[in-house]
Amino acid sequence: EVQLVESGGGLVQPGRSLRLSCAASGFTFEDFAMHWVRQAPGKGLEWVSGINWNSGSIDYADSVKGRFTISRDNAKNSLYLQMNSLRAEDTALYYCTKATGRYHHYGMDVWGQGTTVTVSS
Amino acid sequence: QSVLTQPPSVSAAPGQKVTISCSGSSSNIENNYVSWYQQLPGTAPKLLIDDNNKRPSGIPDRFSGSKSGTSATLGITGLQTGDEADYYCGTWDSSLSAVVFGGGTKLTVL
Repeated sequence: EVQLVESGGGLVQPGRSLRLSCAASGFTFEDFAMHWVRQAPGKGLEWVSGINWNSGSIDYADSVKGRFTISRDNAKNSLYLQMNSLRAEDTALYYCTKATGRYHHYGMDVWGQGTTVTVSS
Repeated sequence: QSVLTQPPSVSAAPGQKVTISCSGSSSNIENNYVSWYQQLPGTAPKLLIDDNNKRPSGIPDRFSGSKSGTSATLGITGLQTGDEADYYCGTWDSSLSAVVFGGGTKLTVL
């Protein structure tokens, strides 16, 4: 069964850091690009970042550029999101998603259940 | 303000057909593949349509996608109450070097 399981969310104070992880199983992880997508409470989907199959190409939404870092470990079938200088507006459910191809301009055919990040003092 | 524009809501009766539009520009929809996602209440989004008009395995043929120029359309026929959900279009934006989503459309099956 193809599966993505996120972890690492929680309550954090503004300005602090958090690292999200995503464990992938059921497919050849190294053959596919991956994304992080977030959804604030009651709001729509917002793409956060994408990384291609071999980490050779990485992109970020303007709202997180310079604060968030996406990475992957193909040997561990894992995707990560290092989030620094967190702000209240980063509060959201963060989804790990699998692209349909090697590059992150493709659609997303597998979504995890998400991990909740709450930024509040 | 989303880069892609969708109507906030649409509604139709069971058994009827509905279309959801997604409007963009030459830097996104016109020159890249469009995907459509369904988000049922309280669940993670699910891919409905990929590459403008391709249905992943397991998606009924009641769902269809099309694209023309800077706009894309999701069609749903034979509406069921279980289709009530939020629907999002998404694509790559070559100018932004980013994935962009529409603001989402809430489908109500009356």
